[in-house]
Amino acid sequence: AQSVSQHNHHVILSEAASLELGCNYSYGGTVNLFWYVQYPGQHLQLLLKYFSGDPLVKGIKGFEAEFIKSKFSFNLRKPSVQWSDTAEYFCAVNRRSNDYKLSFGAGTTVTVRA
Amino acid sequence: GAVVSQHPSWVICKSGTSVKIECRSLDFQATTMFWYRQFPKQSLMLMATSNEGSKATYEQGVEKDKFLINHASLTLSTLTVTSAHPEDSSFYICSAREGSSHSGVFGPGTRLTVL
Repeated sequence: AQSVSQHNHHVILSEAASLELGCNYSYGGTVNLFWYVQYPGQHLQLLLKYFSGDPLVKGIKGFEAEFIKSKFSFNLRKPSVQWSDTAEYFCAVNRRSNDYKLSFGAGTTVTVRA
Repeated sequence: GAVVSQHPSWVICKSGTSVKIECRSLDFQATTMFWYRQFPKQSLMLMATSNEGSKATYEQGVEKDKFLINHASLTLSTLTVTSAHPEDSSFYICSAREGSSHSGVFGPGTRLTVL
């Protein structure tokens, strides 16, 4: 079965702490990988994406993610979080062979305490 | 950048009525549009894929007669929830993909509440 797994359901941390959210997928072949963020009351926004090339991808708001093909992983990181990073984070995967339909992970709620 | 809008942003209706949700790509032509639903505190689940001028492809478990999708132009797709019931209350989100793009742009979503 096709799946996208996010390891953490809810992460709570203090400002300036480092953040790492895990994401694993179970598709074979070539995939495109995404991280989206949904701030409270707002719609989905693309944080970053990986299609090919350098497996270390830098996105907006200081986020980055590393694609490790051998581990089928695409973990999201931020060295120092801010209170404004409190949001829901979704990992997503698609493939050209599947008409680019996005499959989402269950999401991780990140709460940053001031 | 590319923008996708949805209308209405929220709607409340009585059980048994039908509700139409519009998804528009504002500055690009969307050859493919995707419809998702998101329940509270849950992830997005793909409902269907629509290509301009052809019938939508529904995901397993999604009733095509209940969720009517029309993609009549390259900038507009509509989702009609027919004979809505309280269990259809959800957040409906569309995503529009342009040509050979590997991903889509998401709309802001429509919150449907069925009383």
